[in-house]
Amino acid sequence: ETGVTQTPRHLVMGMTNKKSLKCEQHLGHNAMYWYKQSAKKPLELMFVYNFKEQTENNSVPSRFSPECPNSSHLFLHLHTLQPEDSALYLCASSPSRGTLYNEQFFGPGTRLTVL
Amino acid sequence: QKEVEQDPGPLSVPEGAIVSLNCTYSNSAFQYFMWYRQYSRKGPELLMYTYSSGNKEDGRFTAQVDKSSKYISLFIRDSQPSDSATYLCANPPDPTGNQFYFGTGTSLTVIP
Repeated sequence: ETGVTQTPRHLVMGMTNKKSLKCEQHLGHNAMYWYKQSAKKPLELMFVYNFKEQTENNSVPSRFSPECPNSSHLFLHLHTLQPEDSALYLCASSPSRGTLYNEQFFGPGTRLTVL
Repeated sequence: QKEVEQDPGPLSVPEGAIVSLNCTYSNSAFQYFMWYRQYSRKGPELLMYTYSSGNKEDGRFTAQVDKSSKYISLFIRDSQPSDSATYLCANPPDPTGNQFYFGTGTSLTVIP
């Protein structure tokens, strides 16, 4: 596997379910991100991890819980979601802060549908 | 006020046309500008970046920044069906930081 991978690619869940999204990067990067992409809206940054430490939490509801066990893996734990949480969830990674410019490499996303 | 504004389209052009995609931004501190391309069922990928006013060319693609009007553009010459994708502009207020401001993306279809 190369680049940034995400599993599952599609997920349908009920409002009372608990599920997790997984992201893995094979680029040796130290920063990882979760974004939410909804139709007709800008990409919304949810969480940022730098060297496994969470550095950004953009007022995300507590029903979304991130976990970063190491610099290569990132999880997004989901529980008691709402239908408006249906969206494409993108994971990204970048080398780290302090590089000349901070290109982010994205995974293919998980298409989440909440019934 | 949104940090970055972009017309979502959709935009449909015939093959070979010149395409102009545009964004406006509100924060004059932005100095670094990026264009990402997102194909259907894929994540965005960096297409071009520029760190100053003026033009930057890469093959059929030209990125243009006008800081006086806070306007950034992406031009595609001799457009091809393979250019059909969503194009997102992005501005990191701090180019070495983690926070990016993305536009909504413009959906482009190039018709053979």
